Amino acid sequence: NAGVTQTPKFQVLKTGQSMTLQCAQDMNHEYMSWYRQDPGMGLRLIHYSVGAGITDQGEVPNGYNVSRSTTEDFPLRLLSAAPSQTSVYFCASSYSGLGGTDTQYFGPGTRLTVL
Amino acid sequence: AQSVSQHNHHVILSEAASLELGCNYSYGGTVNLFWYVQYPGQHLQLLLKYFSGDPLVKGIKGFEAEFIKSKFSFNLRKPSVQWSDTAEYLCAVNAVGSSGSARQLTFGSGTQLTVLP
Repeated sequence: NAGVTQTPKFQVLKTGQSMTLQCAQDMNHEYMSWYRQDPGMGLRLIHYSVGAGITDQGEVPNGYNVSRSTTEDFPLRLLSAAPSQTSVYFCASSYSGLGGTDTQYFGPGTRLTVL
Repeated sequence: AQSVSQHNHHVILSEAASLELGCNYSYGGTVNLFWYVQYPGQHLQLLLKYFSGDPLVKGIKGFEAEFIKSKFSFNLRKPSVQWSDTAEYLCAVNAVGSSGSARQLTFGSGTQLTVLP
C-alpha cells in the first residue's frame, strides 16, 4: 500500500492564482481530512469528509473548497490564493467515518508559498 | 469546542535525560487522546493513544503517557531520550459525543524536542 499520497510536494503561487492540492489513499478509508500547519499553531482542520459525497467544514475553511467524488481522492482547492495561505498542508485518512476516534494516517505534506 | 495546550514550545535535552512534555485540554466530557510525532523529513505518525481503561498508556519507542482526568492532562514521558528522538511532538484530543467539526481532532501547537548527542 502507498498509504496517503499528496501532490505536489512544493508549490509557489502568486496572489490571486488558483490551484488544487491532490490527496489520495489506497486503504479504503472512509474518513479523510485536510489540515494546515503553521509555526506555533499546530495543525488546524480545514475540511473533512466522512465518506464519498459527504464533506464538512473544519476550523479554518475560508478560501478553500473540497469535494469527495470517490473514496480514494480528496482534493483541496484554493480559489484565489492569498499570502495568508502560505503553509504546510497535510492530508489524513482513517478507517472509521467517526473521524477523531480513529488513528489517522498522514500524507507527506505540501509546502505552499503564496507571493 | 475543545482546545489543547502544549506549553513547552521547544525543549532541549542531552542524551539519557528524562523527558516529560505537557499536554492539557479543555473539555468537560469524555475524550480520546493522542500523541503524534513528526521526525525530520518524515510523515506525522501515531506515537500512542488513549481511549479508555488503564490511564497509563505505552507507545512505540519507549514512550508512555498518563491520562489524569482531574487535571485534564495527558503528559508524554520517556525515561531516557536518544538523539533519534529529535522531532516535533503534537498532542491531540477528540471530544467524544460532540458533533460536526467539534468531533474532529484538535491539535496542540506542538513541542519541538532537540536531543543533543
